[in-house]
Amino acid sequence: EVQLLESGGGLVQPGGSLRLSCAASGFTFSSYIMSWVRQAPGKGLEWVSTISGSGVRTYYADSVKGRFTISRDHSKNTLYLQMNSLRADDTAVYYCAKGSSSLDSWGQGTLVTVSS
Amino acid sequence: QSALTQPPSASGSPGQSVTISCTGTSSDIGGYNYVSWYQQHPGKAPKLMIYEVSKRPSGVPDRFSGSKSGNTASLTVSGLQAEDEADYYCSSYAGSNKVVFGGGTKLTVL
Repeated sequence: EVQLLESGGGLVQPGGSLRLSCAASGFTFSSYIMSWVRQAPGKGLEWVSTISGSGVRTYYADSVKGRFTISRDHSKNTLYLQMNSLRADDTAVYYCAKGSSSLDSWGQGTLVTVSS
Repeated sequence: QSALTQPPSASGSPGQSVTISCTGTSSDIGGYNYVSWYQQHPGKAPKLMIYEVSKRPSGVPDRFSGSKSGNTASLTVSGLQAEDEADYYCSSYAGSNKVVFGGGTKLTVL
């Protein structure tokens, strides 16, 4: 059974940084593209970033490009999202998901709140 | 990347069918057969219901079906059941390795 478990969310001040983690199990992690998707409180889903199975290729939404970095550690079966220069509009539940254009498994999400 | 356009709400009685539309452009829905639909119950993570326009993942009831015409994709839920009440989101590949989502539709089972 595929399991994705996010962690690392919390309260951070504007301009601050946070690193999210997503521990994966139940599938061959290195073989699959992985993505981050976020959902602001009471709002819809927004694609954030995608990383290839090898980790070589990374892609970002315009709203986070230059501020967020996606990466993965195959020895730990873990996906990461390093978030810098955080803004109030980055406040959201962040989900890690397996896949790219179709996301067939999702974690439970971790809440990031950017506020002073 | 502009969000895809979905109606904010839809409704139907148990046993009826309801169709939710998702309108994009030739740069996303119209240009690729990579439309997906997700179901999200309150406080839960989204669940993939349809991928590549009309394919159903294992375990998704065949009451759920997807289609596409031009720049508009549609999700049809037949034989509505109480547990189908949820938010539904469409998404599409938008080129340059980007994905765009719709704003979501709240489906109410009357």
